[in-house]
Amino acid sequence: AQTVTQSQPEMSVQEAETVTLSCTYDTSENNYYLFWYKQPPSRQMILVIRQEAYKQQNATENRFSVNFQKAAKSFSLKISDSQLGDTAMYFCAFMKHGPRNRDDKIIFGKGTRLHILP
Amino acid sequence: DTGVSQDPRHKITKRGQNVTFRCDPISEHNRLYWYRQTLGQGPEFLTYFQNEAQLEKSRLLSDRFSAERPKGSFSTLEIQRTEQGDSAMYLCASSLVQGENTEAFFGQGTRLTVV
Repeated sequence: AQTVTQSQPEMSVQEAETVTLSCTYDTSENNYYLFWYKQPPSRQMILVIRQEAYKQQNATENRFSVNFQKAAKSFSLKISDSQLGDTAMYFCAFMKHGPRNRDDKIIFGKGTRLHILP
Repeated sequence: DTGVSQDPRHKITKRGQNVTFRCDPISEHNRLYWYRQTLGQGPEFLTYFQNEAQLEKSRLLSDRFSAERPKGSFSTLEIQRTEQGDSAMYLCASSLVQGENTEAFFGQGTRLTVV
């Protein structure tokens, strides 16, 4: 079974600083997706960034980038120039990959609560 | 289409009562997920559907829980004989699977409080 571990329950950084959230996962699969989701207080979960395991290049989305280390099963999220609106719970998630894959549910870590301080 | 819609947003019920939640996915999405999230925790997988077929049920889903997606569109999650431990946020998500699975979009959830 796949597991996702986020070892930082809570973090705080000053606005405009860079912050890195850690995530490790365990799987015997070779093809899979990894995600970072953001859940602002009392608001719905939205996808921040997505990485396909077969791609060596790290995904980037504006101020958000990942450091994907497949051999180490590590998938960290870097937020550059952090903004007050980045305050949220961040969840790392895993999903197996494959057409008509009947075991491709999304598995989440416990989350990291990130506070951006003014 | 405004995204995944869940109804009700909040539900307070007495212990022992039955409750039913509804999820309307994004219209063209064929995959629908149910998750449960307790305060400060990550979403826990409950069950998911591909069209009307229920693909998997978590061991977390006791026999008091049942989910349906009868026409492959909206889904319902029913909890019978509710217990205080059922208090949580119930999240629904949908995605489009065409050859491969794509991004899952989440609804705002239904917050259940069992008193």
